[in-house]
Amino acid sequence: GESVGLHLPTLSVQEGDNSIINCAYSNSASDYFIWYKQESGKGPQFIIDIRSNMDKRQGQRVTVLLNKTVKHLSLQIAATQPGDSAVYFCAENTGDYKLSFGAGTTVTVRA
Amino acid sequence: EPEVTQTPSHQVTQMGQEVILRCVPISNHLYFYWYRQILGQKVEFLVSFYNNEISEKSEIFDDQFSVERPDGSNFTLKIRSTKLEDSAMYFCASSDPGREGTDTQYFGPGTRLTVL
Repeated sequence: GESVGLHLPTLSVQEGDNSIINCAYSNSASDYFIWYKQESGKGPQFIIDIRSNMDKRQGQRVTVLLNKTVKHLSLQIAATQPGDSAVYFCAENTGDYKLSFGAGTTVTVRA
Repeated sequence: EPEVTQTPSHQVTQMGQEVILRCVPISNHLYFYWYRQILGQKVEFLVSFYNNEISEKSEIFDDQFSVERPDGSNFTLKIRSTKLEDSAMYFCASSDPGREGTDTQYFGPGTRLTVL
């Protein structure tokens, strides 16, 4: 089965609202997690990462939360903008330089 | 800002033909990767490459696939005899964990391979 997965395949959010995208993983040996954004016809674009020794990490308008107890990862986007419309993937790494991607959540921002 | 580049952006080939997908990783990165994404599906790992040899490969990466770093800047993926199911987006990525202290992989824009 999948090692990494997302709870919801689609998310519709009003412009200006906050977005929360969730991801569940099953490999307890994973020690590094990344969120990627993929716009139509483009490659995955790095957003933010977090190591397993952290619970939270903040970037510009984005926050990643890691709950190792329940193997859950989330990405929060503050004040969602039209340019945030994309597919968001979580990915995990177990230290062997390959990433395992989740299925992706399509975020649509309503004007 | 440095970025990974890939050529061509779209490759159309006949089943059974050989294709070579090309990538220029970020300069000074030492680890290189190929991933693929079948339309509408998740990104799947194919192979990682370091110090001129394969570090790890997935079960997708069978004998029909090979990778090469022919010079100091290019990294290629060859599919010897393409099948219909090889149709996908192929992404190259690179990273430099030693310098950055992380395993962040930076992806190129992809090559769309269509096998007819």
